[in-house]
Amino acid sequence: DAGVIQSPRHEVTEMGQEVTLRCKPISGHDYLFWYRQTMMRGLELLIYFNNNVPIDDSGMPEDRFSAKMPNASFSTLKIQPSEPRDSAVYFCASSDLGAHNYGYTFGSGTRLTVV
Amino acid sequence: AQSVTQLGSHVSVSEGALVLLRCNYSSSVPPYLFWYVQYPNQGLQLLLKYTSAATLVKGINGFEAEFKKSETSFHLTKPSAHMSDAAEYFCAVSYFGNEKLTFGTGTRLTIIP
Repeated sequence: DAGVIQSPRHEVTEMGQEVTLRCKPISGHDYLFWYRQTMMRGLELLIYFNNNVPIDDSGMPEDRFSAKMPNASFSTLKIQPSEPRDSAVYFCASSDLGAHNYGYTFGSGTRLTVV
Repeated sequence: AQSVTQLGSHVSVSEGALVLLRCNYSSSVPPYLFWYVQYPNQGLQLLLKYTSAATLVKGINGFEAEFKKSETSFHLTKPSAHMSDAAEYFCAVSYFGNEKLTFGTGTRLTIIP
């Protein structure tokens, strides 16, 4: 298994532009999580899905952020319009039923820089 | 609500010395506890987990952790540090029926040659 695959690895964009981050979870995993990591706030859960359905999006910072999971093998996190304070590393993670037993598998992350 | 507190944002140890990274949890129900490691420019990798079986848990790379309910702790240890252990370590908690992991703020481990 190739693990959780995120693209792109690095993204530099100008303020006001739309940014789309992509994630392919491990095949067979029912849960998908989007985290944001910054020096100031550490690891923050933004949203998670179960069987492609958003379960908890209380961590999404504001309406500029949206996430979708159109099928079991693909998810996107979109920021529109982007702002410099959105600069962070965004991680996608997946797990099967029983994450409390097995934990998550994380992708390598997308480092977003908004200038 | 459950949470974890990691004492010490930075820890330095000499190569060959004992590694001790501290984690205390707060949970109103029996917790599931995890330690993750993050190497530079990489994602988080699961080191070990406690899921209410044995209180002493062994993980990868020679690390282990002991669940102590009386102290609400889940400290991570390794008898002899290697240079390759330099990384950031995160403690995390969840509980049965909740798939969300709540992470601590992390401890950066530096190994002194």
